[in-house]
Order: sequence, then structure tokens, then C-alpha cells
Amino acid sequence: QVQLVQSGAELKKPGSSVKVSCKVSGDNFKSIYSINWVRQAPGQGLEWMGGVVPMSGKSDYAQAFKGRLSIAADESTNTAYMELSSLRSEDTAVYYCARDSGFGGDYYMGVWGKGTTVTVSS
Amino acid sequence: SYVLTQPPSVAVAPGEAANVSCEGSNIGKRSVNWYQQKPGQAPVVIIYYDSHRPSGIPERISGSKSGDTATLTISRVEGGDEAAYYCLVWHSSDHYVFGPGTTVTVL
Repeated sequence: QVQLVQSGAELKKPGSSVKVSCKVSGDNFKSIYSINWVRQAPGQGLEWMGGVVPMSGKSDYAQAFKGRLSIAADESTNTAYMELSSLRSEDTAVYYCARDSGFGGDYYMGVWGKGTTVTVSS
Repeated sequence: SYVLTQPPSVAVAPGEAANVSCEGSNIGKRSVNWYQQKPGQAPVVIIYYDSHRPSGIPERISGSKSGDTATLTISRVEGGDEAAYYCLVWHSSDHYVFGPGTTVTVL
């Protein structure tokens, strides 16, 4: 059974960066399934930020985050990372990692981590 | 960019059926997935590929599609069904797109 364990809560200053990890266990990390990052601001909905395919190392990003988001996978530790830079107060949110499920090129986010709270405040 | 539309809220009496809609252009050509999220918890997939239930999801939860609208139906609603529900589709240019979410309230 696949499990995703995320790193702990973070408190950051505006203008700084945050790096959140997502350790995958219970399955082959280096697979075709993407590890995605989704965030949820307080009282708001879910927003896909981007993802990485561990097998290829290829990352894709939502347009809203291009230029300040980096997502990578480290197969030596079965861990995916999300780093968001130039933080502002609007980045205060819960950040989830979620692994794709499915087949035949038609995927959905089937397994989720519990979330990491990132607070941006001076 | 691709946009999905959901009603902000749905209220239903216990034992009745709740229907949550998700509208999007050409949604009939895309697989629609549904998530339940309770306060303070991560989302959980309850319907994938339009109408498939993961193991452990009760049969009273179902999904369907007609035209440009996908519908999540929760039959015989219980208090434990109070949650936010999100639809999710894959779109070639936007990758994953979530609907804005619908809060289901049990009266």
C-alpha cells in the first residue's frame, strides 16, 4: 500500500523560500506515476501546482507558478521535493503531495499525503 | 485555461439524495474524478474514471456524466457525508484542473 509522508509545518518570512518533502513508501518510487503538489489556501479550494515523473525526472508546472516553483524527485531516498521561492502572504496554505493512479495515460491523484502547513508572515 | 463549475453548496435532509454537478466544456471527452474532503483532512478519491469506486467507498456513492455535466450522487445521505466535494479532470494544456468545490450540508 502506497503511503506518502510529508515534512512538518513551516513558518517563513516574505521573500524567502520553502522546501517541502514527500517520502513515498510501499511501491516502486521510480515509476511512470507522477508525484503532484496541490495547495489549499485557508477556506479555499484545491489548486494543482505541478508534478514530477520520478522515472524520467521531468517536471511540469502550472502557469501560475512558473519561475518560482521547483519540483524534483530523489530516487536514492524515494522522496519528492517542492520548493517555492519569493514567498508572499498569499502563499500561506496547506501543501499536499499526491501520487497518480490509473493506467493507459489516463491518470488521477489516487494517494495523498496528509499535508504540510506553510505560513508566510513577517 | 480550462474551467470547471460546481455549485458552492448543496443542502440535503438525512436519507435523501445529494447531487453535485460539475460542468466543463467537452467534459464528456474527459475522465472525471471526485474527491471528498472533510475539515482538517486531506482529500480522498471517491470516484475515478467517471463512475468507478475505489475499494472501501460505499455503493450509495456514484458518478455519472451527460453532455457537458458530470454528477456525483450520494444516496441515503448521512451526517458523515458532510464535507466538501471536488471534481478533477486532466486537460492537455492545464494538466490537472479542479472544480471550485461544493459543500454538502446535511440538514
